[in-house]
Amino acid sequence: GAVVSQHPSRVICKSGTSVKIECRSLDFQATTMFWYRQFPKQSLMLMATSNEGSKATYEQGVEKDKFLINHASLTLSTLTVTSAHPEDSSFYICSARKGGHGYTFGSGTRLTVV
Amino acid sequence: GIQVEQSPPDLILQEGANSTLRCNFSDSVNNLQWFHQNPWGQLINLFYIPSGTKQNGRLSATTVATERYSLLYISSSQTTDSGVYFCASHYGGATNKLIFGTGTLLAVQP
Repeated sequence: GAVVSQHPSRVICKSGTSVKIECRSLDFQATTMFWYRQFPKQSLMLMATSNEGSKATYEQGVEKDKFLINHASLTLSTLTVTSAHPEDSSFYICSARKGGHGYTFGSGTRLTVV
Repeated sequence: GIQVEQSPPDLILQEGANSTLRCNFSDSVNNLQWFHQNPWGQLINLFYIPSGTKQNGRLSATTVATERYSLLYISSSQTTDSGVYFCASHYGGATNKLIFGTGTLLAVQP
C-alpha cells in the first residue's frame, strides 16, 4: 500500500505563535508531497508542492513566508504556519503519490488559532 | 486553469437507494481519482480511473476522458456512505498537481 501519516491531528495555538505540521510517507519514498488547505464546507485548495532537497513551489496567492515548507528527506515534509492568526484556522492536509498508484492523503490537521 | 465541477452539490438518500454523482472537467485530463471524505476529514481513495470502468463492491466509476466527465455510482447506499465525495484530476503537461472538484455532500438516512 501507500500510507501517509500526518501529525498532529488537532492543534490549538495562540495568535502570533508558529505551528509545525509533519507529513510522513511510511512505506514509500516521496520526492514530491503536496499541501492542501480546506475551509469548512469547501473543497481542497492546493497551497504548495513540496520538493525533496529544493524549494517548495507555491500556488498563486499563498504567502511563502507565512507557510514555510521543508522537505528534508524522502519521507518527511513539514509545513510551518508562522505568526498564526485566527484567519489561518483551517484544515490542512498533505498528500503524496507512490509510483503507479493514485494520490494518498494524510489524516489532516485541524488548526485553531485563538 | 482547469475547472472541475461536480453535481449535485448536495444529495439526501434513504438507506438502500442508488445514486450517481457526476464530475465534469473543463480541459483534457491525464488521470482522475474519486475520494470519499469522512466526517472526520480523512480522504479515502475510492478509484484511480483515468479511463474506462472500475467496480469495487457497491461502488463503481466510469471515466470518459474524450468527453471530459466521470461518474461515480453508489448502489444500495448505507449510512456509512455519508460524507463528501470529491473527484480530482491532474491535467496535461509537466504538472503533477491534483486539482479537486467542488464536491458532493451525501447524507444517507436510515
